[in-house]
Amino acid sequence: QSALTQPPSASGSPGQSVTISCTGTSSDVGGYKYVSWYQFHPGKAPKVMIYEVSKRPSGVPDRFSGSKSGNTASLTVSGLQAEDEGDYYCSSYAGGNTYVFGTGTKVTVL
Amino acid sequence: QVQLQESGPGLVKPSETLSLTCTVSGGSISSFDWTWIRQPPEKGPEWIGHIGRKGNTNFNPALKSRVTMSLDTSKNHLSLILNSVTAADTAVYFCATDYNYVLDVWGQGTTVTVSS
Repeated sequence: QSALTQPPSASGSPGQSVTISCTGTSSDVGGYKYVSWYQFHPGKAPKVMIYEVSKRPSGVPDRFSGSKSGNTASLTVSGLQAEDEGDYYCSSYAGGNTYVFGTGTKVTVL
Repeated sequence: QVQLQESGPGLVKPSETLSLTCTVSGGSISSFDWTWIRQPPEKGPEWIGHIGRKGNTNFNPALKSRVTMSLDTSKNHLSLILNSVTAADTAVYFCATDYNYVLDVWGQGTTVTVSS
């Protein structure tokens, strides 16, 4: 199991958009619809922002959206707000009841 | 909503056994499937394994030989045991509910340092 590849950082001014990529293989991201995105803040419980590639849990602003093309999934945050700062990790089902996480992207609101 | 709290020793010596507990409130552990995840310092999370509400398990192949997971319905908590730890096992350890391929509720995590 190799970690999914994400850019280390992404940034934007308030109101702008950022898109984070998550690249895997046909054995994980490309092979299943079960890609999720999680927001991490130190000392806090991580929070799911997107599941099944593009679905938003109740309570997550519609500024957050997800998509997938081939072996790469993406998370877009539109209309950036200060509270969107944090570390974002993708995760994918990888078959055989196993999962793999991404390398993580630190989002900074300038 | 269910809430999770991980707890553990904080510091474990190399070659010893790490034992962690995830205490569940606001719901019964028998109503959920569970996943343990860890995050080493400055690295991304790593999936450790899954335990279903009936006790069925699946583990990360890299950790499979050293991991045990269990459910204690009388105490409403789940446990993770990791044998023969090394410095590479230093991490923040999380438990989470696992529902339809989504980790939808997480605990805040507990920090474990492996050092002599």
